[in-house]
Amino acid sequence: KAGVTQTPRYLIKTRGQQVTLSCSPISGHRSVSWYQQTPGQGLQFLFEYFSETQRNKGNFPGRFSGRQFSNSRSEMNVSTLELGDSALYLCASGTGDMRGYGYTFGSGTRLTVV
Amino acid sequence: ELKVEQNPLFLSMQEGKNYTIYCNYSTTSDRLYWYRQDPGKSLESLFVLLSNGAVKQEGRLMASLDTKARLSTLHITAAVHDLSATYFCAVDMGTGNQFYFGTGTSLTVIP
Repeated sequence: KAGVTQTPRYLIKTRGQQVTLSCSPISGHRSVSWYQQTPGQGLQFLFEYFSETQRNKGNFPGRFSGRQFSNSRSEMNVSTLELGDSALYLCASGTGDMRGYGYTFGSGTRLTVV
Repeated sequence: ELKVEQNPLFLSMQEGKNYTIYCNYSTTSDRLYWYRQDPGKSLESLFVLLSNGAVKQEGRLMASLDTKARLSTLHITAAVHDLSATYFCAVDMGTGNQFYFGTGTSLTVIP
């Protein structure tokens, strides 16, 4: 069974640019959530999408946005990149039925902003 | 805002020894997860604890949950080098795929 696929694995962008990251969940999973991991702030929740609707949102500025497609694939966009956006971005895939049976994380996209 | 605290942040232990990692959280939740992360890698699910008193064991690791004390523990028995990694606990508020992660415990097992 295929796992959670995140692309690209690595990105280098310049301040002020924008970037789009992609996450393909496990087949049959309808929930995709995104997390930012940095050495200083740890793992922080960005947002969650379920059946193409944003269901939860963390405390990040509006420069961070996302969407989910009908096939459950999700994209995350960051506009006007700042140096502090350099991080490992992880997505997690789950059934989204709130029974809490665990979620599977992708390998992540490492974004470096220079 | 939910806070999740882990201690210790860093743990260096000799092979064969036992130790416990603690995870405290600040609000009511009956769902807690433990993940392992190797350097430069993603998060690997270790345990899913879904009720008060839940105890799960896998190999040399055992996790427990006390929802009344808002405390989970990850106990390591007879540590081996392969257990060296960073361990995270995460609390699920039941609102969907939204976790609040602890600070992580970086474990180094010394031969």
